[in-house]
Amino acid sequence: GAVVSQHPSWVICKSGTSVKIECRSLDFQATTMFWYRQFPKQSLMLMATSNEGSKATYEQGVEKDKFLINHASLTLSTLTVTSAHPEDSSFYICSASDSGVTDTQYFGPGTRLTVL
Amino acid sequence: SQKIEQNSEALNIQEGKTATLTCNYTNYSPAYLQWYRQDPGRGPVFLLLIRENEKEKRKERLKVTFDTTLKQSLFHITASQPADSATYLCALNYGGSQGNLIFGKGTKLSVKP
Repeated sequence: GAVVSQHPSWVICKSGTSVKIECRSLDFQATTMFWYRQFPKQSLMLMATSNEGSKATYEQGVEKDKFLINHASLTLSTLTVTSAHPEDSSFYICSASDSGVTDTQYFGPGTRLTVL
Repeated sequence: SQKIEQNSEALNIQEGKTATLTCNYTNYSPAYLQWYRQDPGRGPVFLLLIRENEKEKRKERLKVTFDTTLKQSLFHITASQPADSATYLCALNYGGSQGNLIFGKGTKLSVKP
């Protein structure tokens, strides 16, 4: 149980285009999902917290207009990187919590974004 | 600001030995601390959670300790196997919300046969 999927697993795009990444909780309902970014040999950095049916809460330094988050249902959150630039190239990982059953976050497999 | 350190970037051990990884933190008293395993190009996989009122927790060959006085957690893998080779991350919560996790950079464990 507690499986989280991400799609796509990797994407290459041209500078200036937008990319959407999906995060799904497959066998549980997640009122809260989280989006992280991880650069090589660095720790996971929380970008934003996504709550179903409400606006996402962004961490300091993360541009909300550049990283659009939508949490339309209890099993799906999307992250859209708008007008992507090479410096946005990174490993994006989502996680979902099991709505307070435990304090555990279950992570997706990650999406490798490369912006040319 | 909160700070969490895993003081070994890499750890190499021989198969069958016990691996011990260290996680230290400053400036906060977390309600709980978690350990994750991350393989290259993959998302972290949850291993263990230990709460501030727990001294030790075990799961099969894994053991985690939590010393709130020293502000330190130790993660042990006994009878290590090459399949245990991965990066291990510790994370602590720094607020009441489940989302307020801060991660260490991880320790890359290599178990040699």
